[in-house]
Amino acid sequence: ELKVEQNPLFLSMQEGKNYTIYCNYSTTSDRLYWYRQDPGKSLESLFVLLSNGAVKQEGRLMASLDTKARLSTLHITAAVHDLSATYFCAGYSGTYKYIFGTGTRLKVLA
Amino acid sequence: SAVISQKPSRDICQRGTSLTIQCQVDSQVTMMFWYRQQPGQSLTLIATANQGSEATYESGFVIDKFPISRPNLTFSTLTVSNMSPEDSSIYLCSAYGNEQFFGPGTRLTVL
Repeated sequence: ELKVEQNPLFLSMQEGKNYTIYCNYSTTSDRLYWYRQDPGKSLESLFVLLSNGAVKQEGRLMASLDTKARLSTLHITAAVHDLSATYFCAGYSGTYKYIFGTGTRLKVLA
Repeated sequence: SAVISQKPSRDICQRGTSLTIQCQVDSQVTMMFWYRQQPGQSLTLIATANQGSEATYESGFVIDKFPISRPNLTFSTLTVSNMSPEDSSIYLCSAYGNEQFFGPGTRLTVL
């Protein structure tokens, strides 16, 4: 059974700093997803990573996937306040089912 | 990408009552799902809504508590039955096209 863990659970960082959120999963998942959730809102799809070594970037966010290590990372470059949100990774457990990580609550301080 | 709407967006209900949440997708989709997100928590899959047949429930969720319907490829309902305060959560509908998209959620508070 696929299990997905994220760390850290909470992250408070200064504007302009860099940081990485880690997503580990327990069994084979041939794709990995990252979502953003703002308070009181639904989930917004950020990245879909489909193969080993995949790297995708959008603005200050970059996501990567290492299927051999069962690890995905979400790297934040030069954080800005607008990035404050909760970030979830999700693995694919087959038959269109996603298993979500615990989430990382990010707060970027001015 | 699919656009998903849910009704109601929020509700406050009394213990012992039931609430039905509707989910509408703007295009035909292969799969629809229902998730629960308890306050400050991650998303937990309740069930897969199967078109024209009984839903497939995940461990810890049963049909008597969470009956689900999916009469066609764009619409599903989730009922939260005999509610207790522990059912206070956000309930999210999702649909799978080429990836999974989520509805805005229904915020349920049970008193």
